Amino acid sequence: AQKITQTQPGMFVQEKEAVTLDCTYDTSDQSYGLFWYKQPSSGEMIFLIYQGSYDEQNATEGRYSLNFQKARKSANLVISASQLGDSAMYFCAMREGLNVNEKLTFGTGTRLTIIP
Amino acid sequence: DAGVIQSPRHEVTEMGQEVTLRCKPISGHDYLFWYRQTMMRGLELLIYFNNNVPIDDSGMPEDRFSAKMPNASFSTLKIQPSEPRDSAVYFCATSIQGEHSSGNTIYFGEGSWLTVV
Repeated sequence: AQKITQTQPGMFVQEKEAVTLDCTYDTSDQSYGLFWYKQPSSGEMIFLIYQGSYDEQNATEGRYSLNFQKARKSANLVISASQLGDSAMYFCAMREGLNVNEKLTFGTGTRLTIIP
Repeated sequence: DAGVIQSPRHEVTEMGQEVTLRCKPISGHDYLFWYRQTMMRGLELLIYFNNNVPIDDSGMPEDRFSAKMPNASFSTLKIQPSEPRDSAVYFCATSIQGEHSSGNTIYFGEGSWLTVV
């Protein structure tokens, strides 16, 4: 079974609208972390936001927020007021366990295109 | 602060040639990871180091691949001999074991785009 599932291969969104990128995960661990990375066309992987399994509040970083629904095992990324520069691939990732030496598993990504 | 620095950014080489990819981690980070990204397999962990010591190389595809970390500020990933199926983006990423609240986030370099013809 896939540990990280991103069901939207591609999305087109009008500039200034909010965007939700879906991510579901599969783990039996109680301790885990969820990450979102952005990969623009230039190729670098940019860390956006992190949510720990024990965090009671949804993580927020500027225009990014993570809609964490633990019972549903979902960790959707919400981008408010989208901008043209948000066009990129977005990857959801999970670490089972909280230590840095534990493997990070990535989803297949969602390609987001912002339309002017 | 400088991020993870990788070189070269792009390399085109002929099959059979040796390829060396280089990485300078973020200062103070004690974990270093090498990842490979392809369309078919996505992002795969190849190997990681802790305090310059290789801990898990189970993701290294073949004996043609080797990685070293001679000191805390430098690592190499070498492919010898290279093959067309090695064409991919190779990322170096680093992290530091810290507070769980930070997620022990892994920070990636810009990647080295390798094409073997």
